[in-house]
Amino acid sequence: GEDVEQSLFLSVREGDSSVINCTYTDSSSTYLYWYKQEPGAGLQLLTYIFSNMDMKQDQRLTVLLNKKDKHLSLRIADTQTGDSAIYFCAEKGGSYIPTFGRGTSLIVHP
Amino acid sequence: GAGVSQSPSNKVTEKGKDVELRCDPISGHTALYWYRQSLGQGLEFLIYFQGNSAPDKSGLPSDRFSAERTGGSVSTLTIQRTQQEDSAVYLCASSPKRGHQETQYFGPGTRLLVL
Repeated sequence: GEDVEQSLFLSVREGDSSVINCTYTDSSSTYLYWYKQEPGAGLQLLTYIFSNMDMKQDQRLTVLLNKKDKHLSLRIADTQTGDSAIYFCAEKGGSYIPTFGRGTSLIVHP
Repeated sequence: GAGVSQSPSNKVTEKGKDVELRCDPISGHTALYWYRQSLGQGLEFLIYFQGNSAPDKSGLPSDRFSAERTGGSVSTLTIQRTQQEDSAVYLCASSPKRGHQETQYFGPGTRLLVL
């Protein structure tokens, strides 16, 4: 089946930029998503990008898509302690059911 | 309520017992999904309901798992004869319409522990 891969952990200093990377295998992906999960909570959609775009910016968040390499990244500028959470990459292609990665735990330290 | 709600928030049960998990989607949302999130794992798709169509049950891991959606709204996930490996967080999500651009709104999950 289709697969989505993410590194499991990322540690950054408060105020720095964070970059979370994701690779996927489905060549028919049409939508790619980033979700945030805080402790004890469900997933919250942060942003998504359509496959014919290569970049999307929303305040402190920048999503970059390299469709040729099937690589997606999420950059968080000026990372704050409140950004500490698990970030999930997901893609949706020909099916209505998205495929999720295992999540990247972002740890922000002073 | 404004969001997806799930109950109970936590459930502890003994191996072999049956459990029922409930999901109340956002009013008017036609699509409803169940996922399982095990420790350190991504989201495992379980089942998908869309309106009055037959559900997509392709993700259910065994015949001990079943789900219903009554009246196109509330959904119940039932696990019969629970096993310790069923321990996980069970997440429900709903979305407003059919289409690839639909985004999912997640509930807070039910944390199931099977002893």
